[in-house]
Amino acid sequence: KAGVTQTPRYLIKTRGQQVTLSCSPISGHRSVSWYQQTPGQGLQFLFEYFSETQRNKGNFPGRFSGRQFSNSRSEMNVSTLELGDSALYLCASSFEGNSYNEQFFGPGTRLTVL
Amino acid sequence: DAKTTQPPSMDCAEGRAANLPCNHSTISGNEYVYWYRQIHSQGPQYIIHGLKNNETNEMASLIITEDRKSSTLILPHATLRDTAVYYCIVRQGGSEKLVFGKGTKLTVNP
Repeated sequence: KAGVTQTPRYLIKTRGQQVTLSCSPISGHRSVSWYQQTPGQGLQFLFEYFSETQRNKGNFPGRFSGRQFSNSRSEMNVSTLELGDSALYLCASSFEGNSYNEQFFGPGTRLTVL
Repeated sequence: DAKTTQPPSMDCAEGRAANLPCNHSTISGNEYVYWYRQIHSQGPQYIIHGLKNNETNEMASLIITEDRKSSTLILPHATLRDTAVYYCIVRQGGSEKLVFGKGTKLTVNP
């Protein structure tokens, strides 16, 4: 079974631009969560989607948004990029999304904002 | 904020057991203890989880104290490839949200 895939793996943008990152969960998984990892703040939860609905949201500004499609694939978007948005963005999928299934993480997208 | 406390770093000799401690004194009755690890710049990898009984799988063993206020992850025969940051996480009931602390950087030495 293929693991969680994320595209692109690396991305360079400039301040003020917007970016869209994609995540394909493991086949059959319906829950997708997104995390941001920076050296200063560590791994922080962004949001979680289950059956195309956002179920949980972390403490990030409205510039960070996401969505999930009917095939469970998910995208996250960051608008008006800031230098501080440079980070590794990770997505994770789980089967039932019932909080006791393990989450499987993808390799991440490394975003650099210049 | 993370509900767990871990030592920032530990060393272990290759072939020996690595015992990684975690304190979670405010854990609630329906919260599980999860362990993940992250090898440099890769996505975190699930290791094991438990509620109150000790658990074992092909990767590790998890020992949870009777009062559930602390736990220990045991890698029975550490290899160089086990060098990683290990995160102990208390999983909030009804939520997929994982709250990561700073973890323990385990270095396995030859």
